[in-house]
Amino acid sequence: KAGVTQTPRYLIKTRGQQVTLSCSPISGHRSVSWYQQTPGQGLQFLFEYFSETQRNKGNFPGRFSGRQFSNSRSEMNVSTLELGDSALYLCASSLGRGLAVSAHTDTQYFGPGTRLTVL
Amino acid sequence: GDSVTQMEGPVTLSEEAFLTINCTYTATGYPSLFWYVQYPGEGLQLLLKATKADDKGSNKGFEATYRKETTSFHLEKGSVQVSDSAVYFCALSAGAGNMLTFGGGTRLMVKP
Repeated sequence: KAGVTQTPRYLIKTRGQQVTLSCSPISGHRSVSWYQQTPGQGLQFLFEYFSETQRNKGNFPGRFSGRQFSNSRSEMNVSTLELGDSALYLCASSLGRGLAVSAHTDTQYFGPGTRLTVL
Repeated sequence: GDSVTQMEGPVTLSEEAFLTINCTYTATGYPSLFWYVQYPGEGLQLLLKATKADDKGSNKGFEATYRKETTSFHLEKGSVQVSDSAVYFCALSAGAGNMLTFGGGTRLMVKP
């Protein structure tokens, strides 16, 4: 099976712009999660989508948003970019379970990430 | 809230040395525990996992045991190789849905 793919791999934007990142999960996986990785804050959870619905959300401002399509592909959008948004954005997919209370046992498989630089 | 604490690095070892990276956690309920590894310029790869107390996860010579009494999930390997040089992350998932809480990461450098 193909792994998790993310596009683009690298992106350079300027402050105030907006950006959309894309993630294609492993075939058959229904849950997609997004994480931000920075040297200062480490790895932080952004949000999780399951069956086109946001199931969990991290502590990020409303400028960060996402969605999931019927084929489980997901996009995240960051509006009004700030310098501090420069980071590696990682997408992860997992099988996804109908009962959310069981989902914590699922393994998340990560993509290679999108490196966003905000100038 | 949930949290993971792991030893700060870098950890520098000679090839064939024994490795331990400590990880402790705080969580409500019964979390699942994971170790991920990140090589330069790449995403995270699952190394091993354990989903209940006393479970032992193992892969590629690495092992970790879920210790509920000490809320720990220490990573060990009997004999490290230069190719094991990477950053290692301890993580937990608890509650409803998929949401990983990560430790700060430990950089391992193995010298020939």
